[in-house]
Amino acid sequence: AQSVTQLDSQVPVFEEAPVELRCNYSSSVSVYLFWYVQYPNQGLQLLLKYLSGSTLVKGINGFEAEFNKSQTSFHLRKPSVHISDTAEYFCAVSGSRQGAQKLVFGQGTRLTINP
Amino acid sequence: DAMVIQNPRYQVTQFGKPVTLSCSQTLNHNVMYWYQQKSSQAPKLLFHYYDKDFNNEADTPDNFQSRRPNTSFCFLDIRSPGLGDAAMYLCATSGGLAVYNEQFFGPGTRLTVL
Repeated sequence: AQSVTQLDSQVPVFEEAPVELRCNYSSSVSVYLFWYVQYPNQGLQLLLKYLSGSTLVKGINGFEAEFNKSQTSFHLRKPSVHISDTAEYFCAVSGSRQGAQKLVFGQGTRLTINP
Repeated sequence: DAMVIQNPRYQVTQFGKPVTLSCSQTLNHNVMYWYQQKSSQAPKLLFHYYDKDFNNEADTPDNFQSRRPNTSFCFLDIRSPGLGDAAMYLCATSGGLAVYNEQFFGPGTRLTVL
């Protein structure tokens, strides 16, 4: 079974500062990792995903994440945040390449950008 | 633009009164999912359809049912809503079941149970 732990429930940062949102996973099989963003009163939007290959994954809106197998981590980073990045961020894992794509989500990290 | 639409965005129902939530998509995707997201919690998969094949998660209560009359529409029926069913309900679609198929989410329906 897979599980995801997002280590911070809330992260406040100042505008134009860098940010890292932490995600650790647990899985006994191959893992496929995702970051989703949820703006207030909206559905989830895919930021980026790791399926295989390069461990550094670049996504939309200037975000990137690094897959670290030895540390079972998939932390999300952005070098300079904007007010518009204020949202809830979810890390998710799927352990199945075939069959139903079942995403297991972490509890979410609320990112608040202060001017 | 191709998209996933959920109606209504906000639904209020009474304890025990059946309610139906609607999802439609213009992406022509084979797979449709329903998630439940309670306040400050992660989305939790309730069930999914692959075409007309229905797949229920083992821990989804019997109170929750779903219908998919055609490719474009999928409904979530809650037969007897309890206070604990108050949540955001998210519909998602994907072009297939393989892990590389991205899930596209609708904006959600927020259900209040009085």
